[in-house]
Amino acid sequence: KQEVTQIPAALSVPEGENLVLNCSFTDSAIYNLQWFRQDPGKGLTSLLLIQSSQREQTSGRLNASLDKSSGRSTLYIAASQPGDSATYLCAVKLGWGAQKLVFGQGTRLTINP
Amino acid sequence: SAVISQKPSRDICQRGTSLTIQCQVDSQVTMMFWYRQQPGQSLTLIATANQGSEATYESGFVIDKFPISRPNLTFSTLTVSNMSPEDSSIYLCSVEAKPHRFGPGTRLTVL
Repeated sequence: KQEVTQIPAALSVPEGENLVLNCSFTDSAIYNLQWFRQDPGKGLTSLLLIQSSQREQTSGRLNASLDKSSGRSTLYIAASQPGDSATYLCAVKLGWGAQKLVFGQGTRLTINP
Repeated sequence: SAVISQKPSRDICQRGTSLTIQCQVDSQVTMMFWYRQQPGQSLTLIATANQGSEATYESGFVIDKFPISRPNLTFSTLTVSNMSPEDSSIYLCSVEAKPHRFGPGTRLTVL
């Protein structure tokens, strides 16, 4: 059974710092991995999608990496801003025919002005 | 890319009643998904809804408690039946896309 773990559960840093969020998964046979952002009481916004054949994806100040063999992904946020404060979730899709996403518990990020 | 809307955005309900949540997509999609996010928890898939067939439920979820309709390729409903306080959650619909897309969610509080 695929399990997804995110560390740390919560993180608070001053504005301007670079930071890394971690995601690990137990079964390396994934189809893709996706990072989402969730603001309090809201739905999910997709940030980055990495296919299993890719090593990283970049969008603006965000960079996500994937090491499938070790079952790890990281989300790097450069020059953090107070508007980046949210919960960040990673999710893996198990296979081409498997539509289900398995989510981690999330990292609650607070950027202090 | 698909735009997903949900109604209601939030509701407060009494124990023992039922609530139907609507999900509308602005384009035709084959599969729609319903997730639950309990307070302080991550998302768990309830069921997959295909047009023209019965929904497929995940372990721990049953049709009597969470009946789903999928009358066409742009719309689905999830009913939370005979509610108890344990059903207080955010319910989100989602569609298969690259990337996977989610609606804004329905925040349900059961008293």
